[in-house]
This record gives sequence, C-alpha cells and structure tokens, in this order.
Amino acid sequence: DAKTTQPPSMDCAEGRAANLPCNHSTISGNEYVYWYRQIHSQGPQYIIHGLKNNETNEMASLIITEDRKSSTLILPHATLRDTAVYYCIVRVPEDTNAGKSTFGDGTTLTVKP
Amino acid sequence: DAGVIQSPRHEVTEMGQEVTLRCKPISGHDYLFWYRQTMMRGLELLIYFNNNVPIDDSGMPEDRFSAKMPNASFSTLKIQPSEPRDSAVYFCASSLYNTGKAFFGQGTRLTVV
Repeated sequence: DAKTTQPPSMDCAEGRAANLPCNHSTISGNEYVYWYRQIHSQGPQYIIHGLKNNETNEMASLIITEDRKSSTLILPHATLRDTAVYYCIVRVPEDTNAGKSTFGDGTTLTVKP
Repeated sequence: DAGVIQSPRHEVTEMGQEVTLRCKPISGHDYLFWYRQTMMRGLELLIYFNNNVPIDDSGMPEDRFSAKMPNASFSTLKIQPSEPRDSAVYFCASSLYNTGKAFFGQGTRLTVV
C-alpha cells in the first residue's frame, strides 16, 4: 500500500469549512483513498473513499487531484463535534493483504468556537 | 443494527493473569479485524479473519496473544499471561468484502498492573 503524508495538526473555526490535505505521491492505479476519523475515546469512523472522481456524502467531500498524488477532505461546516484525528489511507479494495493497511499518525483537527 | 459490540469496555488486571476480550461483528460482515492502539505505536493491526478463518496474524506481538472466531458472530482476543506493556485500547472492526470500509467498535481499554 502507498504511504500517505498528513500535517500533524490543524485548527478550524466553527462554522467554517475544514480542508484536510493528504499527500500520496506513490499511489498506484488501483488504490483508493479512504478517510477515517477518530473522536477522542471512540473507535475510528469511516468517512468517505474514492478512486479518482470527487466524492460527496452526508459527512464530507473528497477532492482527488487529477494526477491522484494528493487529496483533500472537506468538512463544509465544521462543528465542535468534528474535533478529531483524521486519517488518510490508500489501499486496494478486496486485496487479501489490504487488512494490513495502517492508519499512520493522521491530522488532529481542532474546531474552535 | 447495533454496530460492532465489544466487551468489556474497561478491564484492569494484574500482571500474569489471563485476559479475554470479546467482539460481536455487524451481522452479515465477513471480515473481522483486531487492532491495538497505544500512544507510542498508534493503531496497529493485530490479526484479521475472513469467514471465521484467520488470514494474517503477523501483527500479533507474541505467542501470549491468540485470537479465535468460532462463528460469524463472535470473536475473542486472549492474552495469557498479561504484562504491563499490553496496556492499550483494543479495537475490533468488521467489514463486508474487505472493501476498506470498516466499522469499528468502541474499544476495550486494558490496563495491566
């Protein structure tokens, strides 16, 4: 699985959009980009994933660059409850070794009032 | 669906004692993962199962750790004998078809004194 690079921490004002970047310059053609988050004292929570097209769901939007070497997770209107560690992971779905994909250190997002 | 259910939520035990952590995956999911999270090492994959069969246990730290999945609705992670360095939060997760979209339980916080 390709490795990812994320900033260790970011701040965001409540109500504003939070844009979390992720670099995955060694991503291969069949690897997807996944985002999870972990709120303090809880288990990680799946947010969204995509291959090359931008994706949107009720939680967030995922923007993947055309060369697929980086992506941005967008929380359109951040709330205090979005304060968490956000993990970007790249992997191949259905890969028998995919269970080994690691979460890395992630980005600690702090939403401030 | 109640999600992935882990028990107990907290466990405090003395060094040398046997510890058993339990997990009930989401009904219908065919993959089950055990992770361990510490401040020093982050979130580590210990072992995962597909259709109740262990696929990769290379993340299991030592022979003191063992995991079983006797049926599709139950898995255990056992540590015998336990040591203080085993203190961590242990997460169980399940997914359908190993798509990368995994659902995590709330974790078991283990403290070995």
